[in-house]
Amino acid sequence: AQSVTQLDSQVPVFEEAPVELRCNYSSSVSVYLFWYVQYPNQGLQLLLKYLSGSTLVKGINGFEAEFNKSQTSFHLRKPSVHISDTAEYFCAVSDHGAQKLVFGQGTRLTINP
Amino acid sequence: EADIYQTPRYLVIGTGKKITLECSQTMGHDKMYWYQQDPGMELHLIHYSYGVNSTEKGDLSSESTVSRIRTEHFPLTLESARPSHTSQYLCASSDSGVGDTGELFFGEGSRLTVL
Repeated sequence: AQSVTQLDSQVPVFEEAPVELRCNYSSSVSVYLFWYVQYPNQGLQLLLKYLSGSTLVKGINGFEAEFNKSQTSFHLRKPSVHISDTAEYFCAVSDHGAQKLVFGQGTRLTINP
Repeated sequence: EADIYQTPRYLVIGTGKKITLECSQTMGHDKMYWYQQDPGMELHLIHYSYGVNSTEKGDLSSESTVSRIRTEHFPLTLESARPSHTSQYLCASSDSGVGDTGELFFGEGSRLTVL
């Protein structure tokens, strides 16, 4: 069965610093990959997704992620974070054919002024 | 602009009360889901439905029940609420057929507190 590991449960960074949130998945079959963001007391919003094509995916709010098939990773990056990026970030994966989304445990991004 | 709606957003009730959390979507999605999430914690799938009159239990056991009488509506019911049911409940939907990638569309959530 598919599993997703977010390697950091919490990531504190200073405002305007770069950030990387790490995500690894277990399946070696073809996959769809997603990053969701959850602001306090809200539901999840789609940040970006990889379905096919270019391995570098750009999303909303200046975030991007790179699909690395050989390392089964889909790390999320932003070159310069803002206070408003403080949120919980979830990586998720679905296998082609199964279309059932499996979530990671989440990473809490905290931005310090 | 949200196409999936949850009510109430916040609910505080006493032990033993019956509650229903409402979820409706206007996207025509066949698949709908309920997740339970404790503050700052991971998501746990508790119920899902792949169409009208079809409901299944998820990965996490829950005392709640669901129904799917109409495509757009997927309510969750607790017959007798207890403090252990205090949590955030997230409703989601997804497309099916050729366009199905597993992508989920979430509502804003219903935060339940049982005293």
